[in-house]
Amino acid sequence: AQTVTQSQPEMSVQEAETVTLSCTYDTSESDYYLFWYKQPPSRQMILVIRQEAYKQQNATENRFSVNFQKAAKSFSLKISDSQLGDAAMYFCAYRRGDNDMRFGAGTRLTVKP
Amino acid sequence: DTGVSQNPRHKITKRGQNVTFRCDPISEHNRLYWYRQTLGQGPEFLTYFQNEAQLEKSRLLSDRFSAERPKGSFSTLEIQRTEQGDSAMYLCASSLPAGVAGELFFGEGSRLTVL
Repeated sequence: AQTVTQSQPEMSVQEAETVTLSCTYDTSESDYYLFWYKQPPSRQMILVIRQEAYKQQNATENRFSVNFQKAAKSFSLKISDSQLGDAAMYFCAYRRGDNDMRFGAGTRLTVKP
Repeated sequence: DTGVSQNPRHKITKRGQNVTFRCDPISEHNRLYWYRQTLGQGPEFLTYFQNEAQLEKSRLLSDRFSAERPKGSFSTLEIQRTEQGDSAMYLCASSLPAGVAGELFFGEGSRLTVL
């Protein structure tokens, strides 16, 4: 069974600084997809960034980038120039093909002004 | 496209009562998923549909839970004889047709409180 582990229940960052959220996963598959979702308080989950396992290049979306280490089964999210609006729960997720998506327990990010 | 819609947003019920949640997915999405999320945890998979067919059910989905998607459009999740442990946020998500692996689009969730 695929599992997703987020070892940092809480993280804090100063506004305008950079923070990295960690995620590891376990799978025997070679082709899969990884995601980072953001869930603001009392609001719906929205996609931050996705990575296809067959792509060696790390995905980037504006201030958000990932460090995908396939052999180590590691998928960290880096947020640059942190903003107050980045404060939220962040979930790492794994999906194989078009099957269901599996999530980690989440990391609560606080952004200090 | 109005996104994934869930109703009701919040339901308070007494232990032993039945509750039903509805999910309207994005119209062109034929995959529909139900997840449960408890406070401070990530979403846990319950079940998913491709059109009207229920393709997988988690072990979390006890006999008291039933989900349907009768016409391949909206879906309902019914919980019979609710227990306090059923208190959670129930999330619905939809995605593009099978074979196109990508993101899940989530609704805002239906929060259940069992007294």
